[in-house]
Amino acid sequence: DGGITQSPKYLFRKEGQNVTLSCEQNLNHDAMYWYRQDPGQGLRLIYYSQIVNDFQKGDIAEGYSVSREKKESFPLTVTSAQKNPTAFYLCASQGQVDLEQYFGPGTRLTVT
Amino acid sequence: AQSVTQPDIHITVSEGASLELRCNYSYGATPYLFWYVQSPGQGLQLLLKYFSGDTLVQGIKGFEAEFKRSQSSFNLRKPSVHWSDAAEYFCAVDYNFNKFYFGSGTKLNVKP
Repeated sequence: DGGITQSPKYLFRKEGQNVTLSCEQNLNHDAMYWYRQDPGQGLRLIYYSQIVNDFQKGDIAEGYSVSREKKESFPLTVTSAQKNPTAFYLCASQGQVDLEQYFGPGTRLTVT
Repeated sequence: AQSVTQPDIHITVSEGASLELRCNYSYGATPYLFWYVQSPGQGLQLLLKYFSGDTLVQGIKGFEAEFKRSQSSFNLRKPSVHWSDAAEYFCAVDYNFNKFYFGSGTKLNVKP
């Protein structure tokens, strides 16, 4: 089955630690995205990548980093510089023809 | 700046009643328009999309949406709501062929 996987579903970290969230897709999509979701704020774009080895900052990139070494993978690192990292993180990829964004199941990160 | 407005944060309807969720966007050109649904703790699923042509589009689960250029709106409708429709609904627009802007979401509660 084609789709997007995110792991783990729940992640707990201590303040001051970096943490990397995984996102893998087998849809053969060029474009991939990371969003952060907080209650009442919808989805906010962190980073996006339209092609391998290239990515752009979204609206709230501070405190986050990404890489895109393979078409299938777009990991997100939440660094210790992110002031408020506890949130639900969603990864998506976008079809070149249908232009829909397909979402993974999300990772809930809790930092204490 | 581009924006998407969903003016209703929460809506409660009785099972079997009709539903309309509002979405307005701000921009001169007509963007690509989408409606997504999210169950608690899950990723987003596409309900329907509008690119061009017939302004009334049909989606999955019995949903439809109407694009009104004069009102910059793309409201989602369902003639008869089922208890399983309780979820959060997001309107999204894509202006640049690879960057979505999401509304803040409308939470739908269905009364038995």
